Amino acid sequence: NAGVTQTPKFQVLKTGQSMTLQCAQDMNHNSMYWYRQDPGMGLRLIYYSASEGTTDKGEVPNGYNVSRLNKREFSLRLESAAPSQTSVYFCASSSGRGAGELFFGEGSRLTVL
Amino acid sequence: DAKTTQPPSMDCAEGRAANLPCNHSTISGNEYVYWYRQIHSQGPQYIIHGLKNNETNEMASLIITEDRKSSTLILPHATLRDTAVYYCIVRVSLPFSGGYQKVTFGTGTKLQVIP
Repeated sequence: NAGVTQTPKFQVLKTGQSMTLQCAQDMNHNSMYWYRQDPGMGLRLIYYSASEGTTDKGEVPNGYNVSRLNKREFSLRLESAAPSQTSVYFCASSSGRGAGELFFGEGSRLTVL
Repeated sequence: DAKTTQPPSMDCAEGRAANLPCNHSTISGNEYVYWYRQIHSQGPQYIIHGLKNNETNEMASLIITEDRKSSTLILPHATLRDTAVYYCIVRVSLPFSGGYQKVTFGTGTKLQVIP
């Protein structure tokens, strides 16, 4: 099994450009998450999705939109990228039930010039 | 979710036990303690979790105090590959009938294993 797959792994954008980060999981998990991690800092929750068709804001949602396309896929969109959004983005999933642990993707490294 | 407090950094000699502390004094009765680690810039990796009792798996042991206000992750024989940032988080357990959890991370403890 692939687990959690993120694409692209690297991306360079110019200020004002838009892009979508894709995330897919093959573990039949209910819950999915998007985090960002800035240099030397911990992970901050951007958005999460409890289940297909639902999304909620995390700690730092401004400048982002998300779509839970189906149970497998959860995308993160930057409509007008800003240099402050330069970061490493991690997608994660969990069964969402009981004490289920989080499974993370390998990360997407985004640079906004 | 309850807030956790961890030391920002620790060193450990290779081959010795690494003991990583975590304070979670406001933990609720239905919150589990989880440990993850992040090696270099990879995605965080689950290590272990527990509710009340001490737990052990192939990677580590988790010791939770009786009052559940603190815990310690133990790596029994640290190797250079254990150099990573270790995150302690607490999260609510949910009934198996369904539900979801918003999970937040702090800044963790950077463990440096020294040859």
